[in-house]
Amino acid sequence: GAVVSQHPSRVICKSGTSVKIECRSLDFQATTMFWYRQFPKQSLMLMATSNEGSKATYEQGVEKDKFLINHASLTLSTLTVTSAHPEDSSFYICSARVQGGRGEQYFGPGTRLTVT
Amino acid sequence: DAKTTQPTSMDCAEGRAANLPCNHSTISGNEYVYWYRQIHSQGPQYIIHGLKNNETNEMASLIITEDRKSSTLILPHATLRDTAVYYCIVRVNAGNMLTFGGGTRLMVKP
Repeated sequence: GAVVSQHPSRVICKSGTSVKIECRSLDFQATTMFWYRQFPKQSLMLMATSNEGSKATYEQGVEKDKFLINHASLTLSTLTVTSAHPEDSSFYICSARVQGGRGEQYFGPGTRLTVT
Repeated sequence: DAKTTQPTSMDCAEGRAANLPCNHSTISGNEYVYWYRQIHSQGPQYIIHGLKNNETNEMASLIITEDRKSSTLILPHATLRDTAVYYCIVRVNAGNMLTFGGGTRLMVKP
């Protein structure tokens, strides 16, 4: 199956700093990528939909100025958590939809963010 | 996308079949049933999807009732590595985001 990678897999940062998370589709092109957040013992919650070459669409309650998304190419989307706070500590997961496919989506392995 | 209902948790003995039910009574005619699973601290993994007919692949079988209001995911010979949260999702194929509910936490026991 198609492979999606995320980097880093784990990151610890101090409160007030910014952290960038990369999501790459390794063997396919993805016009659309999705960013999810998952708190402990909870399900995945969609944060935003990222389309290559255009602005991301954010879900209600997600601050677009805090969670900056850039989708500059068909294989790379980045999520930057700006001015991170401890409550931003979470498991961030991206998925990529196969361009021209039947809607298949493949998920990355996730990034564990801890803000101290 | 239609809402789904799944049991919160299930146990299964290793080597036996695991049958995971899902209710989706408000499913529309153009919505597919998707199954994903998430092993602890990993991203979700696609398992199988279907529209009306039963489907089988190397991982599992998907049985969809004739009225399409419910379905069952079958893992024919569960192993300890199948312990995970299993999500049943209905959506229009080639649609946008996947909406995750609570899922079923399957525990495979020796």
